Amino acid sequence: QKEVEQNSGPLSVPEGAIASLNCTYSDRVSQSFFWYRQYSGKSPELIMSIYSNGDKEDGRFTAQLNKASQYVSLLIRDSQPSDSATYLCAVDSSAGGTSYGKLTFGQGTILTVHP
Amino acid sequence: DVKVTQSSRYLVKRTGEKVFLECVQDMDHENMFWYRQDPGLGLRLIYFSYDVKMKEKGDIPEGYSVSREKKERFSLILESASTNQTSMYLCASSLGPARGYTFGSGTRLTVV
Repeated sequence: QKEVEQNSGPLSVPEGAIASLNCTYSDRVSQSFFWYRQYSGKSPELIMSIYSNGDKEDGRFTAQLNKASQYVSLLIRDSQPSDSATYLCAVDSSAGGTSYGKLTFGQGTILTVHP
Repeated sequence: DVKVTQSSRYLVKRTGEKVFLECVQDMDHENMFWYRQDPGLGLRLIYFSYDVKMKEKGDIPEGYSVSREKKERFSLILESASTNQTSMYLCASSLGPARGYTFGSGTRLTVV
């Protein structure tokens, strides 16, 4: 069973701080990693994807991947109250197989940014 | 932008009813997925489809079936609804491996 684990949270940070969200995965052949944001009562929306070791930046968001440690993280700089949501880590283990892009999700980390 | 449309936002059904949840995507994606999301259990894959009339079971297929007669439409069927199928149901589509998903807005199903 492929597993994706996230720090359970909830995580509370003050406005303007850096929020750090962490995720580990069990399937060593995993090649593609995604972060989704889900507001309460809404469906998940894709905010970041990362495929190579290292950092990938998009605005205030930075995704970090370390395949040797089977670890992926999301940093949110200058956190805003509008960033308050559940963040889902998702892993695609399609490499070498036929999983058709099927994703395995972590249980999510609830982030609250307080003014 | 890819649009994934789920026909109902909220549904209330009675135990034993046959329930159809519809999902339509408008970007010619090959792969479509049905998940349910429950507090404390996260997103769990029920079924997915990689082509018309092709389907595979996910992690929790019991009590469900699916239909994909056209590429753009993927239906989830609850053969005989039970109260433990009360959940948020999310449909997603994907262009393929390593492409991530686009989700529909979800259907919150209550079985009474």
